[in-house]
Order: sequence, then C-alpha cells, then structure tokens
Amino acid sequence: NAGVTQTPKFRILKIGQSMTLQCTQDMNHNYMYWYRQDPGMGLKLIYYSVGAGITDKGEVPNGYNVSRSTTEDFPLRLELAAPSQTSVYFCATHRGSSSYEQYFGPGTRLTVT
Amino acid sequence: GENVEQHPSTLSVQEGDSAVIKCTYSDSASNYFPWYKQELGKRPQLIIDIRSNVGEKKDQRIAVTLNKTAKHFSLHITETQPEDSAVYFCAALRGNQGGKLIFGQGTELSVKP
Repeated sequence: NAGVTQTPKFRILKIGQSMTLQCTQDMNHNYMYWYRQDPGMGLKLIYYSVGAGITDKGEVPNGYNVSRSTTEDFPLRLELAAPSQTSVYFCATHRGSSSYEQYFGPGTRLTVT
Repeated sequence: GENVEQHPSTLSVQEGDSAVIKCTYSDSASNYFPWYKQELGKRPQLIIDIRSNVGEKKDQRIAVTLNKTAKHFSLHITETQPEDSAVYFCAALRGNQGGKLIFGQGTELSVKP
C-alpha cells in the first residue's frame, strides 16, 4: 500500500504558467482534500471531495480548480500561477463514515517566480 | 465558520520537562479535535485525537484534554525528549461538514537536551 502519493515533489513555475498537481490514493477512501501550507503557518483547505464526481470549495479556493473522476485521483489545477501561490501543497484522505483521521501525502513544494 | 486559535507559537523546554499547547475554537458544533506533529520538511502526522463526548485521552506520554463549555482543548506532553521537537498543529472539525478540518497556526516545540 503506497497510501497517498503526490507528484511532482518540487516545481518552479513562472508567473502566468499553469500546472496540475497530482494526488493518488490506494486506500479506497471517499474523502480527499487539498491543503496549502505557507511558511511558518498552518494548513488552509483549498478544495475537497466527498466522492467521485463531487467537489466543493474550502477556505482558499481562488486561483485553483479540481476534478474527481475516480475514487483514486484528485488533481489540483493552477491556472495563471501567481507568486502568492508559492507554498507547499498537501493532499489528504480519510475513509469517511465514523472515521475522521486524515492521512497526508508527502507534499509538493511549489515556487512561482 | 470555524476559527481555531493556537498558543503559544513557540515553546522551548528542557528535556524531561512537560509541554502544554492550547487551542480554542469558535464553533460549538465542532465534535472532533486532532493534533498533528510535523517534522521539518515532512507531512503532518496524527499523534492523538479526541471526540466531543470525551474529556480526556492519553497515549503514553501524550494526553489531550477538552473543555466543551469553554471551547478549548490542550495537548500535554510529559517527559519530553529531543525527538519531540517539531511543529504541532491542533485542528477542529464539524462532523457533518464533509470532514473539513480547520487548523490552528502551529506551535514550534524545541526540546533542549
């Protein structure tokens, strides 16, 4: 079991470029989340999904888009990258039902210059 | 919406001493309160959690207490060791909100040998 995997590990983007951060889980969990963590700060929820075909906004969704076509994959799309999107991005999952424990991926460190 | 405040932002203790980190939350309907440990450059990992129907939970040197009336919860680490040095995050979740965790700002704990 790989758990939650994220690619790439690191990326440098120029202002205005776009990219997709990949997140895949093999835990068969319904719930998936994208967080961003700015230096010295806590995690802020960007988007989340309660199952394939269902997504919803979190605290800081502006500048991002998501899709959830399968249970396993939850890609995060950045359009027109801005320096304010420089951050570490974590994907997480949890099983749902009565279990609330979230399992995090290793993160993607993104720099926009 | 929910808001979580965490204090202190930094904490330095001598090895063997106890460490206490406190969080307050705003939404009285929140019912799940996890604590995550994040080592430098790593993903957050759950160390202990508590549900709103319990006042205290212990796991070896770690304990969490919850005061629902005052809307605050605390992490207690006893007999601290250098490997406890990390950033600790509290979070709160409202169980019917799709598992949306709201995180505190983090506490950087330093345990000096």
